[in-house]
Amino acid sequence: ILNVEQSPQSLHVQEGDSTNFTCSFPSSNFYALHWYRWETAKSPEALFVMTLNGDEKKKGRISATLNTKEGYSYLYIKGSQPEDSATYLCARLQGSSNTGKLIFGQGTTLQVKP
Amino acid sequence: EPEVTQTPSHQVTQMGQEVILRCVPISNHLYFYWYRQILGQKVEFLVSFYNNEISEKSEIFDDQFSVERPDGSNFTLKIRSTKLEDSAMYFCASSGGASDYSRGTQYFGPGTRLTVL
Repeated sequence: ILNVEQSPQSLHVQEGDSTNFTCSFPSSNFYALHWYRWETAKSPEALFVMTLNGDEKKKGRISATLNTKEGYSYLYIKGSQPEDSATYLCARLQGSSNTGKLIFGQGTTLQVKP
Repeated sequence: EPEVTQTPSHQVTQMGQEVILRCVPISNHLYFYWYRQILGQKVEFLVSFYNNEISEKSEIFDDQFSVERPDGSNFTLKIRSTKLEDSAMYFCASSGGASDYSRGTQYFGPGTRLTVL
């Protein structure tokens, strides 16, 4: 059974701080890792799909790295803004194609204070 | 920008009653999913659906659950006889498929909060 873990569970930072969170997952039979940003009462928003060891993806001030050999991914936010406040979810794809099911971590909830 | 929609946003029902949760996936997508999140727990997979049949289902998805794509646009999840433990946020998602440019990104709706009393 796949187990995906995220840390920390929650994080409070000041506006302008840079921050990062961790997603850990079993490295065997890896296919892809997804990152989502989820604000309350809204749809989880897809941030990145990462597949290759050493992948680095960037979207504005948010970036992510992937290490499939050791089974972790980092999400970085540079210069956090109050609008970055959300829960960040990672999910490992289970299966041998990109149409499999997602196994989610518990999420990291970020609160950015003005 | 295309999006996945879900109705209702909140459903309250009595234990033992049937509920139908509705989703409209992105129009050219081929793969459809239901997930749920019980309060305080991880988002968990329920079922995937492709070509008008279930591709995969979890242990949670027992005989009380069923899915249907009745008219080519809607995708529904039915719970025949709800239990207290079915109370959760239910998410629908869709993806373009194995060869789509978005590399299998699953696009989620905003969820339906189901409360079973």
